[in-house]
Amino acid sequence: AQSVTQLDSHVSVSEGTPVLLRCNYSSSYSPSLFWYVQHPNKGLQLLLKYTSAATLVKGINGFEAEFKKSETSFHLTKPSAHMSDAAEYFCVVSDSGSARQLTFGSGTQLTVLP
Amino acid sequence: EAQVTQNPRYLITVTGKKLTVTCSQNMNHEYMSWYRQDPGLGLRQIYYSMNVEVTDKGDVPEGYKVSRKEKRNFPLILESPSPNQTSLYFCASSFGLATSTDTQYFGPGTRLTVL
Repeated sequence: AQSVTQLDSHVSVSEGTPVLLRCNYSSSYSPSLFWYVQHPNKGLQLLLKYTSAATLVKGINGFEAEFKKSETSFHLTKPSAHMSDAAEYFCVVSDSGSARQLTFGSGTQLTVLP
Repeated sequence: EAQVTQNPRYLITVTGKKLTVTCSQNMNHEYMSWYRQDPGLGLRQIYYSMNVEVTDKGDVPEGYKVSRKEKRNFPLILESPSPNQTSLYFCASSFGLATSTDTQYFGPGTRLTVL
């Protein structure tokens, strides 16, 4: 069985400061991990994904995430927040042996303060 | 433009009145799926389909039906909607049948209110 826990339901940062959104996962197989972003009244957009290649994954809009198997974590980071980063972020896990594909975390709402 | 479309985008209905939410993709994807999004719960899968005429239950299938008669379409049917089905619904598609590396493409969402 697979599961994912997003450790913070809300994160607030000031514009220009670093962003850290935390995600821990549980998986019976070799997992694939994703981060999706949802802007207000929009659908979900893929930010980045880890699929057992490089452990440091770079995504769109300056985001990156590091897969740490020993810590079962896949935290999302960005060096400098922009106002347009304000959105809800979802960490997602998929077991290689799962036909249901994706299990979503409960989401982290990111607020960027001017 | 490659996309997943859903209709309607917004729907207010009453308990017991059958409704269908359509989903269509133009990317020739084999895998399609329906999710519902509720505050604090993330997205939960309702049903998925790995190909035409092949559908299976996700995590929260009660009260829903689906069909996959054509590759591009995957409608979600609520035979007798109830207020606990008030939610935001997303359709998604991907190339892969069951490979976990495939990126899922999401529709814009359908906000359903059942009174």
